[in-house]
Amino acid sequence: DTEVTQTPKHLVMGMTNKKSLKCEQHMGHRAMYWYKQKAKKPPELMFVYSYEKLSINESVPSRFSPECPNSSLLNLHLHALQPEDSALYLCASSQETSSYNEQFFGPGTRLTVL
Amino acid sequence: GQSLEQPSEVTAVEGAIVQINCTYQTSGFYGLSWYQQHDGGAPTFLSYNALDGLEETGRFSSFLSRSDSYGYLLLQELQMKDSASYFCAVRAGGYQKVTFGTGTKLQVIP
Repeated sequence: DTEVTQTPKHLVMGMTNKKSLKCEQHMGHRAMYWYKQKAKKPPELMFVYSYEKLSINESVPSRFSPECPNSSLLNLHLHALQPEDSALYLCASSQETSSYNEQFFGPGTRLTVL
Repeated sequence: GQSLEQPSEVTAVEGAIVQINCTYQTSGFYGLSWYQQHDGGAPTFLSYNALDGLEETGRFSSFLSRSDSYGYLLLQELQMKDSASYFCAVRAGGYQKVTFGTGTKLQVIP
């Protein structure tokens, strides 16, 4: 199984809502990532988990809260978002020590904040 | 911080060869990767260079010169399905820290 799955595929939420994005992989990868991608722009790193511990937070606003419940799951909790947070949110995973350094990306969640 | 520059758009003819360049400014460089992303899709890994030189994987090759802070992706025998955005990405400033380049939109024409 070389797949990263993400749910939901699409999400529309108001600025007062609380929602969560979910990501799952069963490749035994110990590094998992959240990226944000705006249209016609590159993915921007938000968070990195290594062995289920948060290792990188790229100065992301606190209205985004990541969680890694176990080695296969990664969540992104959303609260009080702004319209400018509308984007494609991508999850990825990789081997910590892979010489090929390949990241496997999920299909993403397209988020619209009204 | 890290910065990576790529040409914004490239057009090439089916069956031809195209080169997509990437220049970067980083600290603590570990390696350069290339990803392909079709419209509406997720990025997919193409190649990775940690050392100087050429890496070949089928129709795709990638080159790195660490001294010049420069790399390129070479696509041979272009096919229509190669029309996509291509991103270089560096691991730098920490092994887990990945920064993507500005992206190059490749259009393959008949």
